[in-house]
Parts: sequence; C-alpha cells; structure tokens
Amino acid sequence: GAGVSQTPSNKVTEKGKYVELRCDPISGHTALYWYRQSLGQGPEFLIYFQGTGAADDSGLPNDRFFAVRPEGSVSTLKIQRTERGDSAVYLCASSPDRGTYNEQFFGPGTRLTVL
Amino acid sequence: AQSVAQPEDQVNVAEGNPLTVKCTYSVSGNPYLFWYVQYPNRGLQFLLKYITGDNLVKGSYGFEAEFNKSQTSFHLKKPSALVSDSALYFCAVRDMDSNYQLIWGAGTKLIIKP
Repeated sequence: GAGVSQTPSNKVTEKGKYVELRCDPISGHTALYWYRQSLGQGPEFLIYFQGTGAADDSGLPNDRFFAVRPEGSVSTLKIQRTERGDSAVYLCASSPDRGTYNEQFFGPGTRLTVL
Repeated sequence: AQSVAQPEDQVNVAEGNPLTVKCTYSVSGNPYLFWYVQYPNRGLQFLLKYITGDNLVKGSYGFEAEFNKSQTSFHLKKPSALVSDSALYFCAVRDMDSNYQLIWGAGTKLIIKP
C-alpha cells in the first residue's frame, strides 16, 4: 500500500514569503504528526492531529506557523513571513490512532530553504 | 521531563562484525522505546519498539535491541553488519507527560566499512 507522501520534496523561497507544505497520510490513519528536522539533529515535534482537530500544537515555534487537516486526511503546514531560521526538513508522520504503542510512519520530508 | 541520549555521534564497524548503537533514556513511568533508521534523502523508517515483556526485541533487517531497566538503556544491535546498514539511527521514547509525543535522540551515524 501507499505510504505517507509529502509535497513538494523541495521548496526554495525568499525571506518574508508564505509557504504551504502538504502531507498525505496512510489511508485510514487518524493520527498525523508534523516534525521539523535540522541537520545533525533528531526530529522536533511541531503539531499532532487526531482526526480533524489539532490535539497538541505545543511544538509550533510561533504564530507564523499554522497547520490544518480539514477532512481528517490530508494536512497542510502553513508558514507565514518565512525567516532564514525556518530552513529545515519538515517531516510528516501518521499512525493508526494515538495509541501509546503505535509506531509512526514517516513521509520522505519537504526540504525548505529560505534565502 | 522525558529525554533520550545517544552518546555517540558516529559508530564505525567493519562489515561482518557485530554492531551496537547506544541509547539511554529518562522517563517518569514505564518507558515505551523506539528505534528508527534514516537513509540519505529518505524518511525515517521504523525498526523496532519495546513496550513490555521480553527484554530482547527483534525488528526489521536483522536488528534487535536490548532493554535494560536498571541501566535505563535500549541499545540497538546486529550480529553481523552489512555495508547497506550504513545510515542515521534514531532512538525515541514516548513522552507520557506530553500527549504521547515522541522524544528523539540526536541520532547516531553508523558507517559500515567493507
């Protein structure tokens, strides 16, 4: 079956611009996670959705970052007024539910470069 | 707060030799531990997990991990390394205090030399 997909694979933008990153989870997975990974570091949690609602957005660094999942499937991470420090690989993961024991299945990531 | 430490930035092993990638953790309750592997330009792939039960957990690609409660460790092992095992390995623990987030180690680069 299809895994988690993310588009675009690479995004280059200029400082101050708005970007949208898309995540298409595994069909039927109700839990969806966004992470950010900088070079040489582990993933940093951003936000977690259970169904359509953001169950935990405590990892979003500031109000320039926002994410939606309107129909409980595809999710979009939105970044306003991008800054050079936003450059990173943005990872999306999904799991069957929020169950404690469930592993997360990751997409290939979107590499964001802010010039 | 929960935390994970991977004390080695890089591990070098000759092909055919056993390998160990170290992970230690700090949790307030029962630990739920995971290992993931990341190949260049690819997403993180799940290898194995420890929830409860047998301290030796077997996973994908011939990897296994040993849970040691007294040493708060969850080291990843493989009896005979392959060049294709060269990748970045991450240990993670479920954060029971923070809505079940995964808390990640910084990663260990594993290099297998022919």
